Amino acid sequence: KNQVEQSPQSLIILEGKNCTLQCNYTVSPFSNLRWYKQDTGRGPVSLTIMTFSENTKSNGRYTATLDADTKQSSLHITASQLSDSASYICVVQANYGQNFVFGPGTRLSVLP
Amino acid sequence: DAGVTQSPTHLIKTRGQQVTLRCSPKSGHDTVSWYQQALGQGPQFIFQYYEEEERQRGNFPDRFSGHQFPNYSSELNVNALLLGDSALYLCASSLEAASYEQYFGPGTRLTVT
Repeated sequence: KNQVEQSPQSLIILEGKNCTLQCNYTVSPFSNLRWYKQDTGRGPVSLTIMTFSENTKSNGRYTATLDADTKQSSLHITASQLSDSASYICVVQANYGQNFVFGPGTRLSVLP
Repeated sequence: DAGVTQSPTHLIKTRGQQVTLRCSPKSGHDTVSWYQQALGQGPQFIFQYYEEEERQRGNFPDRFSGHQFPNYSSELNVNALLLGDSALYLCASSLEAASYEQYFGPGTRLTVT
């Protein structure tokens, strides 16, 4: 069964600190993996997308890594800001054109 | 260049009623997907429309139906509403030729009482 798991379920950090969110997937065959940021009550916004051949992708203070062999991805946030408080969702697409498999998300809270 | 828009923003319905949610895709996009997101959960795929036909469907009952119009906009209909249908309903659009580039709308918050 195609599944995406994320850890931790929730995370609280102080402003300015770094953090890393984890994503494990069993989706096969793999097409691509993306990380979304979702503010409460809003639609998800794409942060990064990686294909099989990519093992790292950055978008400002966000850096995603992908290990296609172990089927793991991480999202590293550097120098966190209060506006980073949101849910971060890992999404894997299986086969080109197929629907997406969403993880449950990690709820990040950044405190002043 | 307008992004994905959804209406209404919020909606309150009573059990047993029917509801219609609307979505306008990002300019130039021809494929619309609908998702249900319960509080604290990730989005769950409902179905996808392309060329006015349902192309894929997730694990949702027939109470959930949809439609896509010639201008690529789409509707999600839910009949015989249950309390468990309360959720944020997200619409996402993409180009069929580049389905990995999926853009989400702001969602419609449906509350069933």
